[in-house]
Parts: sequence; C-alpha cells; structure tokens
Amino acid sequence: EPEVTQTPSHQVTQMGQEVILRCVPISNHLYFYWYRQILGQKVEFLVSFYNNEISEKSEIFDDQFSVERPDGSNFTLKIRSTKLEDSAMYFCASSQQDSGANVLTFGAGSRLTVL
Amino acid sequence: ELKVEQNPLFLSMQEGKNYTIYCNYSTTSDRLYWYRQDPGKSLESLFVLLSNGAVKQEGRLMASLDTKARLSTLHITAAVHDLSATYFCAVWRGKIIFGKGTRLHILP
Repeated sequence: EPEVTQTPSHQVTQMGQEVILRCVPISNHLYFYWYRQILGQKVEFLVSFYNNEISEKSEIFDDQFSVERPDGSNFTLKIRSTKLEDSAMYFCASSQQDSGANVLTFGAGSRLTVL
Repeated sequence: ELKVEQNPLFLSMQEGKNYTIYCNYSTTSDRLYWYRQDPGKSLESLFVLLSNGAVKQEGRLMASLDTKARLSTLHITAAVHDLSATYFCAVWRGKIIFGKGTRLHILP
C-alpha cells in the first residue's frame, strides 16, 4: 500500500538552529500538508500546499517556517531558527484531491526535540 | 473559527462493553473523519462520512453523522484490548481540523 515517508524520524537540535524535515508524499497525490502534535496534545494544522504554492497556513506558521517542493517527489518543512516550543511531532500528509472523500494519508512523523 | 469538540477525552472500559465517543463541531462541513493513533505512531484513517445520516462500520467500530446537529458518534461494540488507542474526530474546512482526541484504554 502506498505510504507517505518522512525523514528523519527523530532530530535533536539546539535552540536557534535551522531544521529541515523531509517528506515524500504518495506519488499521484497533488495536495500536501504539514501538521504538528505537541506531546500528548491535539494535532494542529500548519500549512497546505498545492500546485507549488501555499494554499493556506495557520497562525503557527509564521516567518520562521517555510515549505518547499524542490523536485517532483520531496516536500520539505524548514524551521529557520528553532525555539524550545517547536519541540513536537511533525506529520506530513498528502491527498489525491480536495473534494469527495479526500482522505489524507499521514506519514509516520518526525519527532523534533529542541534543547 | 471552526471548533471540534470530543467527549470524553479519556475513557477506560472493560473488554466486552459497549461505549460511544461523541464529536461536536461548530460550523457546517461536508466531510467528517475519524482517525486512530497508537502511542508514538501516525494517524490512521478509519472513516470518512460525507452526508447527513451516513453510517459506516468496520469490525467493532461504527461511525455516524448528523449534519443538522453537527454531531458524529463513534460506537465501540464489545470492546477488545486491541482497540486501545487515541481516536480523533476531524472536520474538513479547506483542511482537516482535529478534535483533542479521546484516549481509549480497554482493560483485559
């Protein structure tokens, strides 16, 4: 069964460092998303991406965050200068369409720990 | 702002019992999802409900949707330990907005 692949599975970084989280969505999917989940809390929307541009972003997705689809397969989330409160599990998701049943398939997540 | 509220947030129950998780949402939507998350794992899609009165069943889980009441339920029949997980209700408004999740613990 096709899956969304995320790397790294766990990254530890110092506050103020840049981090790039990588995702390979399912190959025929067109819509891409990043969500985050602080330990034990709800899953929060960060950003959606379609046709090589951001469709929507949340208040969390400030100037420190950016997304990119540098080639035909990867979808990346960059945090320019990490803060302690950025520690969370980051989930990438993709879907084939944004109408009808439109199930988002989630990756296994990248756990980010900021020290 | 769309709000998605689940209750209960935590549920501990005995194997063999039935129970229902409730999900209320604050504005209209044409799609409601239920996802399952095991500890430290990703989110697994269980159901997508698209219309008023929709009911879907998979094994011991059954989900329903009342769009007029803005209410969805996830019913667990004769619970087994393997169903222990966190269950999220989520609503579509251009993106998926999740509820806080219901942590279900089924005692053997």
